Amino acid sequence: AQSVTQLGSHVSVSEGALVLLRCNYSSSVPPYLFWYVQYPNQGLQLLLKYTSAATLVKGINGFEAEFKKSETSFHLTKPSAHMSDAAEYFCAVSPGNTGNQFYFGTGTSLTVIP
Amino acid sequence: EPEVTQTPSHQVTQMGQEVILRCVPISNHLYFYWYRQILGQKVEFLVSFYNNEISEKSEIFDDQFSVERPDGSNFTLKIRSTKLEDSAMYFCASSEAYLDTQYFGPGTRLTVL
Repeated sequence: AQSVTQLGSHVSVSEGALVLLRCNYSSSVPPYLFWYVQYPNQGLQLLLKYTSAATLVKGINGFEAEFKKSETSFHLTKPSAHMSDAAEYFCAVSPGNTGNQFYFGTGTSLTVIP
Repeated sequence: EPEVTQTPSHQVTQMGQEVILRCVPISNHLYFYWYRQILGQKVEFLVSFYNNEISEKSEIFDDQFSVERPDGSNFTLKIRSTKLEDSAMYFCASSEAYLDTQYFGPGTRLTVL
């Protein structure tokens, strides 16, 4: 069965500090991996995606994520947090061999402290 | 930039009533999806739709649920007889191709009383 684990339902960082949001997946084959962001009262917006090309993926708003097969991880990072980064972040996996559905993690709420 | 839209943004209904949630996917997309998110829980897949038929569905998508593409632009989710536990945020998504990025709408918050 496919699953996604996001460690830390709430993360707080100071403005200007490094943002690290963790995501681990289980999949029998190399999956497609995604990070989505959800701002209050809005839908899910794609931040970035991994589809078996470069393992370091750059997304919008200065975010990037690195696919590490040996660790089955796809952690999201940003060197310097902005107040506008405060939102809910979801990691999702599309296994690719068992259909087209996405499996989501439980989400991480990011708070940025001024 | 093209986006997925959903109406209404909030729907309140009585238990046992039928509701229809509406979505307009991105115009050149061929695959359509419904997900739901119960408050405080993860986003869960309900169903995917391609070529005017269901291509995948989850265990959640039982006989009380149905989907339809009544015309060239709308994609609807019908819940025949709502239960309290159907209260959730329902997200529509679309993608251009199989296994492609899914673009999500803003959601419809369904409250069943």
